[in-house]
Amino acid sequence: GAVVSQHPSWVICKSGTSVKIECRSLDFQATTMFWYRQFPKQSLMLMATSNEGSKATYEQGVEKDKFLINHASLTLSTLTVTSAHPEDSSFYICSAPRKGASLQETQYFGPGTRLLVL
Amino acid sequence: ILNVEQSPQSLHVQEGDSTNFTCSFPSSNFYALHWYRWETAKSPEALFVMTLNGDEKKKGRISATLNTKEGYSYLYIKGSQPEDSATYLCAFSGGYQKVTFGIGTKLQVIP
Repeated sequence: GAVVSQHPSWVICKSGTSVKIECRSLDFQATTMFWYRQFPKQSLMLMATSNEGSKATYEQGVEKDKFLINHASLTLSTLTVTSAHPEDSSFYICSAPRKGASLQETQYFGPGTRLLVL
Repeated sequence: ILNVEQSPQSLHVQEGDSTNFTCSFPSSNFYALHWYRWETAKSPEALFVMTLNGDEKKKGRISATLNTKEGYSYLYIKGSQPEDSATYLCAFSGGYQKVTFGIGTKLQVIP
């Protein structure tokens, strides 16, 4: 099966600092990667779609200047939470379909990153 | 905002019992319904992708059915084992590769 890694798995930071989360597809190429966020007792919510070589598209209500996404290669997307605040504390997880996959094919998930902003 | 609902949200069963849970989703603009199994501290793992009304899929003791006209899918686990303990997520795909997730059903199998 396809493997997606995510780093770091845990991060604790002070309010006002920036945090970068990496999502890598280890054994397949992904032109698209998705970033989700999950707050306690809620479902995974799509934040943005990361597109290799072009700008990310953000869901309504997600600030693009706060959550910077870079998809510089076919195997790596990064999410940077800039000037993090306690309300950004959440579980962040990425997923990717294989390059060229149809809408009906599965996505492969990373293990997620738990962010705690003090 | 698409509504994908799962019930129950949590479930405790004895080892050996069979169980099932439900995912309901919009019945319009349907592309696919995904089921994932998510163990703590691991990546969600794909179980099934279902695309056709009336689809039934099976993987070992786990099976799923799909009714796109009424907008629901059932996941069944036969003879639950402790290793089946996980959160089971369903996700509705209505286009553009975006999926909308339910909150999940957290299953605990008691030995």
